[in-house]
Amino acid sequence: DAGITQSPRHKVTETGTPVTLRCHQTENHRYMYWYRQDPGHGLRLIHYSYGVKDTDKGEVSDGYSVSRSKTEDFLLTLESATSSQTSVYFCAISFSGSYEQYFGPGTRLTVT
Amino acid sequence: TQLLEQSPQFLSIQEGENLTVYCNSSSVFSSLQWYRQEPGEGPVLLVTVVTGGEVKKLKRLTFQFGDARKDSSLHITAAQPGDTGLYLCAGTYNQGGKLIFGQGTELSVKP
Repeated sequence: DAGITQSPRHKVTETGTPVTLRCHQTENHRYMYWYRQDPGHGLRLIHYSYGVKDTDKGEVSDGYSVSRSKTEDFLLTLESATSSQTSVYFCAISFSGSYEQYFGPGTRLTVT
Repeated sequence: TQLLEQSPQFLSIQEGENLTVYCNSSSVFSSLQWYRQEPGEGPVLLVTVVTGGEVKKLKRLTFQFGDARKDSSLHITAAQPGDTGLYLCAGTYNQGGKLIFGQGTELSVKP
């Protein structure tokens, strides 16, 4: 199993506060992804990274930013959380040149 | 915009029954993957199909990729309560690229 951890696993925050979620991998994989999962929508890509300091937007990137200063860490930041960002957030990694993605355990975020 | 449509969205069956889940798109994918997700956990990859017409079997699960690489199906034979979960299909257009997910099929197998 790919070594992927996410922190925190659960968070409750208030509207307007900044929030940062962390994804950490021990596999030295090039690609990392952030998704959100909401009922009836499957998983939707927020941002992804194809190397240190190389990132790009996904289909639902508004209100989110990311950073990757080290291969093993990919951070997702909500600059000013809104109730519409209440969701379960998953990080995934991909071996370079591979189709498959491997997912972390998820972070449940509630914005009140 | 590429979309993957999964059907049905919900399926409740008795132990021992057979079932098929469908994943359809108007776009051609270079590969199609199936994941299974249990409550409170991340999706776990079951299989990847890359060749049109390809069939893969994983114990009681049979996965098929359509000849035109626009659709896929997952067939479960003699379902068991342990098969309960959310099944997701996902397509990609290039290696290491972005995955497009279907909405998921929530399967409940009752003893």
